[in-house]
Amino acid sequence: EAQVTQNPRYLITVTGKKLTVTCSQNMNHEYMSWYRQDPGLGLRQIYYSMNVEVTDKGDVPEGYKVSRKEKRNFPLILESPSPNQTSLYFCASRLSGAGETQYFGPGTRLLVL
Amino acid sequence: KNEVEQSPQNLTAQEGEFITINCSYSVGISALHWLQQHPGGGIVSLFMLSSGKKKHGRLIATINIQEKHSSLHITASHPRDSAVYICAVRRNGNQFYFGTGTSLTVIP
Repeated sequence: EAQVTQNPRYLITVTGKKLTVTCSQNMNHEYMSWYRQDPGLGLRQIYYSMNVEVTDKGDVPEGYKVSRKEKRNFPLILESPSPNQTSLYFCASRLSGAGETQYFGPGTRLLVL
Repeated sequence: KNEVEQSPQNLTAQEGEFITINCSYSVGISALHWLQQHPGGGIVSLFMLSSGKKKHGRLIATINIQEKHSSLHITASHPRDSAVYICAVRRNGNQFYFGTGTSLTVIP
C-alpha cells in the first residue's frame, strides 16, 4: 500500500531533550516536506527536500533540522525542543512534477513541557 | 497578513445543500490545492489547480488566476462531507502556504 508513515504518532517530552520524528514514504517520491499545524495559524511549512541531499527552508524553520540521506526517509530533528514547538506535525511527499498530488502522513502530536 | 485567506471559517449546512468555500491569495502562484482534513486529523488532497475548473464526484473546484481567487463547491452535501477544508498555494515551485481552513458540518 502506497503511504507516508510517521513515528511516533504521539510524543510527550521535556524542554531541551533532543528528539527525532521519522518520516518514510514507499512511493519513490522525490519531494518531501514537513509542516506544523497550530490552532488559528493553520499549516505552515518547516522544511522541504527536492531530492537526496537537497533540502531548503520553508516558512518556519527555526529550531528544526532535517536531513535527506535516502530518498524514502526525511527525519525531522528538534535539537533542543521548547514549549512553543508543541504542535501537530505532518510529513508529506509527492513526485517532483508540477501537477503532482501531495500525500500526507498521519501526523505526529508533540507536547513539549 | 496571511498570504492565503479562506471564508467562511465555519459553515453549518443541512444535508443536500449546495456549499461554497472561498479562497483568496495575494501572491503569485504556480498551483493551488484543496485539502480535506478529517476529524481524526488525516489530510487528503482533493484537487490541484493551475487554471479553470476540475470536478470529482460531487466536488467542483474553480480558480480565477487574474482575480487570485478559488472556490470549492460541494453539491448535494452529506454528513460524511463534514471536515475541515484547507486551501494551499504553491509558490516558487516548492514552497507551500496554507489558509487556516473552513470547518464544515453537515447536519442530517
